[in-house]
Amino acid sequence: DTGVSQDPRHKITKRGQNVTFRCDPISEHNRLYWYRQTLGQGPEFLTYFQNEAQLEKSRLLSDRFSAERPKGSFSTLEIQRTEQGDSAMYLCASSLNSPNTIYFGEGSWLTVV
Amino acid sequence: KQEVTQIPAALSVPEGENLVLNCSFTDSAIYNLQWFRQDPGKGLTSLLLIQSSQREQTSGRLNASLDKSSGRSTLYIAASQPGDSATYLCAVIGNYGQNFVFGPGTRLSVLP
Repeated sequence: DTGVSQDPRHKITKRGQNVTFRCDPISEHNRLYWYRQTLGQGPEFLTYFQNEAQLEKSRLLSDRFSAERPKGSFSTLEIQRTEQGDSAMYLCASSLNSPNTIYFGEGSWLTVV
Repeated sequence: KQEVTQIPAALSVPEGENLVLNCSFTDSAIYNLQWFRQDPGKGLTSLLLIQSSQREQTSGRLNASLDKSSGRSTLYIAASQPGDSATYLCAVIGNYGQNFVFGPGTRLSVLP
């Protein structure tokens, strides 16, 4: 069990550029979640997958955001035309079925300049 | 819509003290509640999970209680140590929800 891994850990990008984050969940975990966290706040739910199916999306997930989980394994979160307000830590988590204990990765920090 | 609050926002205590962190939620129809620890700039680590049918869970020096009817949970830390310094967050998942709703956290500093 290698835990949930996220890549890259840090990303600095210019406003208007596209960025993509990758998450590798714990193997055999069928649920995968994306959260966003800003300083001093708790994580906010973005979306989750059951295997390869995206079952729920938050209103926070504007049309500039897209997430995929091909073949029910790793997942990617893409942000198009980044804005300064997108600066945050993007957290990925996984669980075996739901709602059981969820395991978080170390997060991907995004800074939009 | 479920809302989760945590009091206090920050807490500073001398080493060795016992302390209590509080978590409140507005919708009592929860499936379970989890307490997490987060170190600066890091992801979250699950500490304890309490099912809605349970009243408390214990792990080492940590004890979490749940009073679903009043919408409250407490995390009790015994004999605090400097290594306990971190932000502690609680999160709930509803009976029909598929994602956890988090509180803003309590930032704990344990002074040597």
